[in-house]
Amino acid sequence: AQSVTQPDIHITVSEGASLELRCNYSYGATPYLFWYVQSPGQGLQLLLKYFSGDTLVQGIKGFEAEFKRSQSSFNLRKPSVHWSDAAEYFCAVAQGASKIIFGSGTRLSIRP
Amino acid sequence: KAGVTQTPRYLIKTRGQQVTLSCSPISGHRSVSWYQQTPGQGLQFLFEYFSETQRNKGNFPGRFSGRQFSNSRSEMNVSTLELGDSALYLCASSTSGGMDTQYFGPGTRLTVL
Repeated sequence: AQSVTQPDIHITVSEGASLELRCNYSYGATPYLFWYVQSPGQGLQLLLKYFSGDTLVQGIKGFEAEFKRSQSSFNLRKPSVHWSDAAEYFCAVAQGASKIIFGSGTRLSIRP
Repeated sequence: KAGVTQTPRYLIKTRGQQVTLSCSPISGHRSVSWYQQTPGQGLQFLFEYFSETQRNKGNFPGRFSGRQFSNSRSEMNVSTLELGDSALYLCASSTSGGMDTQYFGPGTRLTVL
């Protein structure tokens, strides 16, 4: 069965520092992968998605992610974080029609 | 274009009652999916509707049900509420489902006492 693992429950980085959030997936075929962000009290917002093609995907808010099939990973990166990036981040894989399997999430805190 | 709207935003119920949550998708979207979010279990898929038909279902008991109307609005119902049903219920819409991008609403926070 498909699954997504986010090994880091909580990460704290200093404002202006770079960020990398880890995501590993388990999927038999070419996965459809997503990163979503959830601010407190809000729904989920799509940051970026990978379906095929270029393995480096650009998203909104300056985020990017790299698909590495050999490592079954889809890590999210940002070169310089802002205080407004503090939120919970979810990696996800699509399983069939409109069913998304989410990871457990990584909570990001920003140190002033 | 208006986003996905969910009503009500907050609900408090007692054990044994039933509840109905509503989701209005983005105009033109025909697929609506529902998710349950809890601190312990995270985000879990409930079901997906497309053109008034349930196409996909997660691993939830039969107390959880849903439907979709001809205007693509969707409702989910939970009968005989249990304490463990306390959660944020999120709905997401997309143009036709499948691998289309899903757009999420703000959720309905259900508290069962």
